[in-house]
Amino acid sequence: LAKTTQPISMDSYEGQEVNITCSHNNIATNDYITWYQQFPSQGPRFIIQGYKTKVTNEVASLFIPADRKSSTLSLPRVSLSDTAVYYCLVDVGNTGGFKTIFGAGTRLFVKA
Amino acid sequence: AAGVIQSPRHLIKEKRETATLKCYPIPRHDTVYWYQQGPGQDPQFLISFYEKMQSDKGSIPDRFSAQQFSDYHSELNMSSLELGDSALYFCASSRGGYTGELFFGEGSRLTVL
Repeated sequence: LAKTTQPISMDSYEGQEVNITCSHNNIATNDYITWYQQFPSQGPRFIIQGYKTKVTNEVASLFIPADRKSSTLSLPRVSLSDTAVYYCLVDVGNTGGFKTIFGAGTRLFVKA
Repeated sequence: AAGVIQSPRHLIKEKRETATLKCYPIPRHDTVYWYQQGPGQDPQFLISFYEKMQSDKGSIPDRFSAQQFSDYHSELNMSSLELGDSALYFCASSRGGYTGELFFGEGSRLTVL
């Protein structure tokens, strides 16, 4: 499984856009990039998944450059409730195994 | 919408005792995953099942075992409990094998005294 590297923590203020970048230099052809959000004492929650270029949903956008060696999760206009840990995962798609490995996530603190 | 249900939500055991955690996946989900998350740590993958067969194994101690039943619910059995087993245990489910989108339950908090 490809190893991922993310910032340990980030601070932001309400209403700002937050971009969290994840490095995955040894990503494989079959790998997808998935982001999860986790609040304290709760299970992780799927945010977004992508393979290349840009993916957008009602919660976030995911930008993936052509070489796919990194990806950026963009959270528009964050609020205090977005304070959480964000995990970037690189996993094999349906052709692979059945496990999702969580590395060290990014602890985002949103201030008023 | 129905979510992943885990029971019990809280469990207190003594060292060397046995504990069983249960997970009921979202209806029509055929894949179940177990994770362990210690205080201040990231979730650690333990084991997964697809169509009632073990599909992948992570850092699961030999003292732990798990299975998925015919109704797709899963149970995680932990024996000879140690203080270090105190953690949040999450179950997640997905449909149609691995898709990258896992739906997590609220977790079972195990405290070993």
